Amino acid sequence: GEKVEQHESTLSVREGDSAVINCTYTDTASSYFPWYKQEAGKSLHFVIDIRSNVDRKQSQRLIVLLDKKAKRFSLHITATQPEDSAIYFCAPLGGNYKPTFGKGTSLVVHP
Amino acid sequence: GALVYQYPRRTICKSGTSMRMECQAVGFQATSVAWYRQSPQKTFELIALSTVNSAIKYEQNFTQEKFPISHPNLSFSSMTVLNAYLEDRGLYLCGASRGGPNERLFFGHGTKLSVL
Repeated sequence: GEKVEQHESTLSVREGDSAVINCTYTDTASSYFPWYKQEAGKSLHFVIDIRSNVDRKQSQRLIVLLDKKAKRFSLHITATQPEDSAIYFCAPLGGNYKPTFGKGTSLVVHP
Repeated sequence: GALVYQYPRRTICKSGTSMRMECQAVGFQATSVAWYRQSPQKTFELIALSTVNSAIKYEQNFTQEKFPISHPNLSFSSMTVLNAYLEDRGLYLCGASRGGPNERLFFGHGTKLSVL
């Protein structure tokens, strides 16, 4: 089955800087690559996604890049704000059609 | 907008008893529902994936006998934790999507299960 890794468990940045959160996967048949965030004490919320037919997608301050060769996709948050602080989870959809979550990267944006 | 209501938000049950949690999709048709458990270490484990008009697929370490799931229509799903013990503690989340699993999931608030 799909193995998903988020190697950085924590990431700390200053307000206004960019943050990059990475996710690697193993299943070459993976086709759908979403990111979710979980704020303290709250549930999961969708952030942004990308499909395997493109390698870049942007939505305002969020950019997701997909490198199918390296089996890696990354979330870039530009001009970070304190309210971006949360745990970010990648959940690629493998060929078995099951979304598998990474262990999460805790982003802390310092004012 | 699309929302998922999950209830109860918190529940405490005695060891060996059972509890049921429910998810209601509002504003969209929940074709697929995924049930997850989040451990204290924040890791998400997929329990099962349910698609309307298809069999419910359970992950290894999770069985229908322990976690029976119902997904009778495009707006509702429920899961029961039977004979709950300490190792069943955690936050249970349902995530629903309009299409198959290759669409974004809308999550409920989760049900936090404590077992005494």
